Amino acid sequence: DTAVSQTPKYLVTQMGNDKSIKCEQNLGHDTMYWYKQDSKKFLKIMFSYNNKELIINETVPNRFSPKSPDKAHLNLHINSLELGDSAVYFCASSIGGNTEAFFGQGTRLTVV
Amino acid sequence: QQQVKQSPQSLIVQKGGISIINCAYENTAFDYFPWYQQFPGKGPALLIAIRPDVSEKKEGRFTISFNKSAKQFSLHIMDSQPGDSATYFCAATGGSYIPTFGRGTSLIVHP
Repeated sequence: DTAVSQTPKYLVTQMGNDKSIKCEQNLGHDTMYWYKQDSKKFLKIMFSYNNKELIINETVPNRFSPKSPDKAHLNLHINSLELGDSAVYFCASSIGGNTEAFFGQGTRLTVV
Repeated sequence: QQQVKQSPQSLIVQKGGISIINCAYENTAFDYFPWYQQFPGKGPALLIAIRPDVSEKKEGRFTISFNKSAKQFSLHIMDSQPGDSATYFCAATGGSYIPTFGRGTSLIVHP
């Protein structure tokens, strides 16, 4: 079983559309994250979330919003997609904030 | 946002050589310093990690050296192999802080 799974793996969409990326972890972790990796491989943290607290990177546009229906899921919703949103998005999970993070395989988002 | 500075951006070594990647952090409250390895098309995966109560940790060919007073840590890959060719990220985290990654080092090991 995949520990952290993301769907879809590839997503191509037009500017202005709204899309969601789903993430599920079966590790029983209490903390989940979303990262954006640009073409230069830079991993930028977007959100850190557990059942108590959402920490938002202040540089993330409010068009991006995490939604957690339960402890095992943290979905990423993006409104009004822009060309600059094209990147690979990784979901990850961990036990607390200072232990190993397990990453999903990534979702390559292309906005045309 | 707390920063972690990583260097070099790219590194080319010959098979059997030593690869060294360096990172520096700012926040003294960080207490977990992992290194992640990422292959093309895959997510990052933990390679080795250290906490500030020790100055060195070794796992096989991979060693982390940690200098708390200088707020620096480094990854040494001994006897580098072509299969080690990947992107390496250092990171720092702790407490309620968001995990912060370095900008990555693209390592190429020539046969």
